[in-house]
Amino acid sequence: SAVISQKPSRDICQRGTSLTIQCQVDSQVTMMFWYRQQPGQSLTLIATANQGSEATYESGFVIDKFPISRPNLTFSTLTVSNMSPEDSSIYLCSVGQPGTQYFGPGTRLTVL
Amino acid sequence: AQSVTQLDSQVPVFEEAPVELRCNYSSSVSVYLFWYVQYPNQGLQLLLKYLSGSTLVESINGFEAEFNKSQTSFHLRKPSVHISDTAEYFCAVSDRENQGGKLIFGQGTELSVKP
Repeated sequence: SAVISQKPSRDICQRGTSLTIQCQVDSQVTMMFWYRQQPGQSLTLIATANQGSEATYESGFVIDKFPISRPNLTFSTLTVSNMSPEDSSIYLCSVGQPGTQYFGPGTRLTVL
Repeated sequence: AQSVTQLDSQVPVFEEAPVELRCNYSSSVSVYLFWYVQYPNQGLQLLLKYLSGSTLVESINGFEAEFNKSQTSFHLRKPSVHISDTAEYFCAVSDRENQGGKLIFGQGTELSVKP
């Protein structure tokens, strides 16, 4: 299994600002994923981040709003840009290993 | 493309009663199947998964799920629930051809166990 940590665990931000969420894994992994869980909803994939290449975004998500970095095989960041109250969600990173994925504890974001 | 449907958004049951949480999926390719659990104010944990072999898979805390290819289902069952099983349960699929690939989640089922 993989141990995943995220920073910050939670934050309250003002409308129009940006927040960068960090995801650290205790082992080298090829594929990392970022998901969003809106209040009372299921998880939706934002993008897939592979080291050394541009992130691949799912329909409805764009790089200008959710820029992602993947500088090495154990670390990734997701930035939520120009935030609005609709961005209030839990953001989770996960790593893919054969036949399963492991999730970080999540970052609970509230935008006022 | 894949999709997952969890047929019940909320399932209230009494302690020690049996429970079934239903999950159906749609996919044009072969898939792996998963159940994740999210306890109140906690992160997402893998409960059990079907990759290959026996179609009946079990978790360490008494849950089991059976892969039914003809009905494209992966229902989760437990013969006797505890208060501590109260949580949100998510069914998910991923493409077999892309091991460790992205997960498609169902809408979730809130299991509420009452004394």
